[in-house]
Amino acid sequence: GEDVEQSLFLSVREGDSSVINCTYTDSSSTYLYWYKQEPGAGLQLLTYIFSNMDMKQDQRLTVLLNKKDKHLSLRIADTQTGDSAIYFCAERRLSQGNLIFGKGTKLSVKP
Amino acid sequence: GAGVSQSPSNKVTEKGKDVELRCDPISGHTALYWYRQRLGQGLEFLIYFQGNSAPDKSGLPSDRFSAERTGESVSTLTIQRTQQEDSAVYLCASSRPSLGMDRGTADGYTFGSGTRLTVV
Repeated sequence: GEDVEQSLFLSVREGDSSVINCTYTDSSSTYLYWYKQEPGAGLQLLTYIFSNMDMKQDQRLTVLLNKKDKHLSLRIADTQTGDSAIYFCAERRLSQGNLIFGKGTKLSVKP
Repeated sequence: GAGVSQSPSNKVTEKGKDVELRCDPISGHTALYWYRQRLGQGLEFLIYFQGNSAPDKSGLPSDRFSAERTGESVSTLTIQRTQQEDSAVYLCASSRPSLGMDRGTADGYTFGSGTRLTVV
């Protein structure tokens, strides 16, 4: 199965909160990341969390980490149409130099 | 440069031809990564260079794929005898030497905009 799993689609209304979920499998993961990809562009780092933390807040973004369940979520408050993009979860493991990415969640924001 | 630069941005090639994709990382970034993103799919790791160490080629899908990097500068990804299944966006990223605990180094990868390869 996939190492990092995400639901593929999420649709919300402008002004609502969006919650994008991710599960990973390697308990040795040290950092977990959220990247954003707008159409035709590369990936942009949004935020990250170190594995010994359970929450991190950065303006409209809140990351929650449940290490026991290997579950990561990204909450976007007051979602705007400009937040429409694909959001990738990624994990960094002790044993590997490269990041492992999920397939991405396409967020659609309706006005 | 200010960001990771990839060229060409788009490439259409005939099946069976060889292609070369180029990545120019951020100056001072010793680590360089190539990923492939097929339509509607996630990122598939291809290869990773870290300084003068031997590259991690574990993600290369076949021996038609190879990559080189000269020192800590430009990298080229070569695909020989291209097949239609090679059609994808090829993304390059670079990062500082290590991902430590402070935000400065944990910022991780900076991605280029990718090369969209279409094999017809």
